[in-house]
Amino acid sequence: SQTIHQWPATLVQPVGSPLSLECTVEGTSNPNLYWYRQAAGRGLQLLFYSVGIGQISSEVPQNLSASRPQDRQFILSSKKLLLSDSGFYLCAYRGTGGVGELFFGEGSRLTVL
Amino acid sequence: GDSVTQMEGPVTLSEEAFLTINCTYTATGYPSLFWYVQYPGEGLQLLLKATKADDKGSNKGFEATYRKETTSFHLEKGSVQVSDSAVYFCALMYNNNDMRFGAGTRLTVKP
Repeated sequence: SQTIHQWPATLVQPVGSPLSLECTVEGTSNPNLYWYRQAAGRGLQLLFYSVGIGQISSEVPQNLSASRPQDRQFILSSKKLLLSDSGFYLCAYRGTGGVGELFFGEGSRLTVL
Repeated sequence: GDSVTQMEGPVTLSEEAFLTINCTYTATGYPSLFWYVQYPGEGLQLLLKATKADDKGSNKGFEATYRKETTSFHLEKGSVQVSDSAVYFCALMYNNNDMRFGAGTRLTVKP
């Protein structure tokens, strides 16, 4: 069966520090992968998606970046965090069966102080 | 472009009350429609889906019917429980492109 994991689950970082959030998927090959952000009390904003190794599409210009060094690994990074980067970050993969709905990881809560 | 509009929350109900969360969509074609649920501190879980007009998705007592004529996909449950307290997201996907989400509706069920 397919599973998705994110870590760390919780992170508190000072402004200006770097960030690395990791997401891995098991049980599927070459999945489409997504990073979403959910700000407090708000909906989901698509940040990046990837259809394969090294292929990244950005939806919103910002100081975040994404990389896909391996088929089932998706990393969200920043060189210098801003206060506005605080939020709940969700990684997802597109299912291969059905209509290709998204399946989400447990989320990573980032607080920038 | 394709988009989803959900009723604004928060919604507060007593246990065993009837639930409706409205969702309407705008799309150029015939998208697939979804409801996701997010329990506190967790990621999103797929609750139900419908892929064509008049399809009814159902799961855990929740239902939603794909209404092409009104471009709607309202979520309903006949008798809510405290454990249903969560944030509910309506979403659409068209032609295997990005999934577009509504803003989410927070439901609180009181005993």
